Amino acid sequence: EAGVAQSPRYKIIEKRQSVAFWCNPISGHATLYWYQQILGQGPKLLIQFQNNGVVDDSQLPKDRFSAERLKGVDSTLKIQPAKLEDSAVYLCASSLWGQYSGNTIYFGEGSWLTVV
Amino acid sequence: AQKITQTQPGMFVQEKEAVTLDCTYDTSDPSYGLFWYKQPSSGEMIFLIYQGSYDQQNATEGRYSLNFQKARKSANLVISASQLGDSAMYFCAMRLPYNNNDMRFGAGTRLTVKP
Repeated sequence: EAGVAQSPRYKIIEKRQSVAFWCNPISGHATLYWYQQILGQGPKLLIQFQNNGVVDDSQLPKDRFSAERLKGVDSTLKIQPAKLEDSAVYLCASSLWGQYSGNTIYFGEGSWLTVV
Repeated sequence: AQKITQTQPGMFVQEKEAVTLDCTYDTSDPSYGLFWYKQPSSGEMIFLIYQGSYDQQNATEGRYSLNFQKARKSANLVISASQLGDSAMYFCAMRLPYNNNDMRFGAGTRLTVKP
């Protein structure tokens, strides 16, 4: 079974530039998450989708971050304009939907962003 | 609000010995799930073990076991017979199925296995 795919793996941009990350979840997983992980910290949830609808985006800095999940499969996370503090690993994850706490969340390898 | 606490920034263990990584949590929801993930230096998050709040027995997966003490709200990970490849960051996480079913993580513990 294919895992969660993410690209690009690494990206270096200058501040005020824009960047986009792509994610393809595990087939059949209705729920998709984007997490931000700053070096030395645990992942922080940015946004959660159920199919193509947003379930939770309370921690997404909406003035510069946007995300979409058209057709309920692939997702794109965009940052514009980037700030130095956006340097982090952006982890995409997916899981089955259902009000069951045991639905494991599976992660991609992450997209490493460095803003200079 | 749900909260996950890992108080050990770093831990060392000798190869072949057992080690316990601490995790405490706080929630008022009766239904929740507790997870442990391993994150090697390459960055991917690898699922290790799951414990449901209603599970009567502690979860085990190979060399990993979860010491679940519900009254104390703790979910410590025990790794038996440590191997050099166990050196990584370990994250405890909690999921609330009736709160958007999202997952929140602790700050992590860096485990180093010494030969």
